[in-house]
Amino acid sequence: GQNIDQPTEMTATEGAIVQINCTYQTSGFNGLFWYQQHAGEAPTFLSYNVLDGLEEKGRFSSFLSRSKGYSYLLLKELQMKDSASYLCAVRLANSGYSTLTFGKGTMLLVSP
Amino acid sequence: KAGVTQTPRYLIKTRGQQVTLSCSPISGHRSVSWYQQTPGQGLQFLFEYFSETQRNKGNFPGRFSGRQFSNSRSEMNVSTLELGDSALYLCASSLEITYTGELFFGEGSRLTVL
Repeated sequence: GQNIDQPTEMTATEGAIVQINCTYQTSGFNGLFWYQQHAGEAPTFLSYNVLDGLEEKGRFSSFLSRSKGYSYLLLKELQMKDSASYLCAVRLANSGYSTLTFGKGTMLLVSP
Repeated sequence: KAGVTQTPRYLIKTRGQQVTLSCSPISGHRSVSWYQQTPGQGLQFLFEYFSETQRNKGNFPGRFSGRQFSNSRSEMNVSTLELGDSALYLCASSLEITYTGELFFGEGSRLTVL
């Protein structure tokens, strides 16, 4: 079966840096996504990695190691509005293009 | 540009009833997928449609069905509702020709089964 693991909860302080890890064991791989979901809102796209390495986009960066089945999302200069659930999702090879397998999400609480 | 629109946003049903949820994708998006979100299981894939064809189906019972129309709008139906079907049902659309093909989610239809 497919398995995606990420921590359930994390806490951090405003202005700090936090790293959210995601490990996956899937049959085939065709890209990894990170989504942000605020309470009561729709998930919104943050990043996409299909090749090994780091993708940077403003305060957010995402890293992928396909050989290790590992990714992380790095959030810098944390702000209160970053308090949200962060979802790691894998697109499987030989699967529908819009078929993603999600982890259960990491709830990040940013405190003053 | 309008986002993904889902109706109804909230609904309450009783066990044994059936429900139909609607999704209008972003204009120009031909791929529509559906996900169920619950606190215990997170987001789980239900269906994926492209040009009125179901391309993929998740591991849900046959009570869950869906379809896509020629204008890319999609509906999903759940028959013989069970208490465990209470969840947020999210629809997402995608423009697959982009590099990432990321999904754009609607705000969901929150179903409560009593």
